[in-house]
Amino acid sequence: SYEVTQPPSVSVSPGQTATITCVGDELGEKYTSWYQQRPGQSPVLVIYQDSKRPSGIPERFSGSNSGNTATLTISGTQSIDEADYYCQAWASSSVIFGGGTKLTVL
Amino acid sequence: EVQLVESGGGPVNPGGSLRLSCVVSGFDFKKYNMHWVRQAPGKGLVWVSSVVDSGDYSYSSDSVKGRFTISRDSAKNSLFLQMNDLKAEDTGVYYCVRDFFPDCSTLSCYGGGFQHWGRGILVTVSS
Repeated sequence: SYEVTQPPSVSVSPGQTATITCVGDELGEKYTSWYQQRPGQSPVLVIYQDSKRPSGIPERFSGSNSGNTATLTISGTQSIDEADYYCQAWASSSVIFGGGTKLTVL
Repeated sequence: EVQLVESGGGPVNPGGSLRLSCVVSGFDFKKYNMHWVRQAPGKGLVWVSSVVDSGDYSYSSDSVKGRFTISRDSAKNSLFLQMNDLKAEDTGVYYCVRDFFPDCSTLSCYGGGFQHWGRGILVTVSS
């Protein structure tokens, strides 16, 4: 079955750029979405169709997808961005989530 | 305002059954694919089941296939998940989720992702 892999954790200093990767076989040929989940809250869609931001998502969130890797980039990271982030793709009539990455802003 | 409100969760013994419901409002329910996604305590998101806008097709993860059934009732603006033969590993918060784009003919729905999530309902399978 298809799998995607994320790093368990990423740390970034406030104001710097955070990069979270999602790796899967030929992932660049599939659409990828990204979700932010703060503790005790429901997930929020932050990127869809690899690189598009839903209404209300700050411009500092961006995405790309090529080859085997999809990437979520948060520019000028703020303390409020500290959360778990999940990538998601579709494969063979199923929905695949990555294991999640805990972003720490310190 | 889009709202998705889950109900029907709670404690259940292994081998038991539960039926989750999700009542939606604020959008045209029959135009959107709908999904259930779960999250075990302290763990990540896991896709459970999906049903397309028409209700004609549904999909489920291998871990629940044959045990869980997703369905929808447009007249009641409701999504359901019938869960049978429950196992300890089914424990978690179950989220009702709506697609980003309407009028999709496929599960992937143009890659729009899952735009709206309910607050979730806890299911605990334990003896």
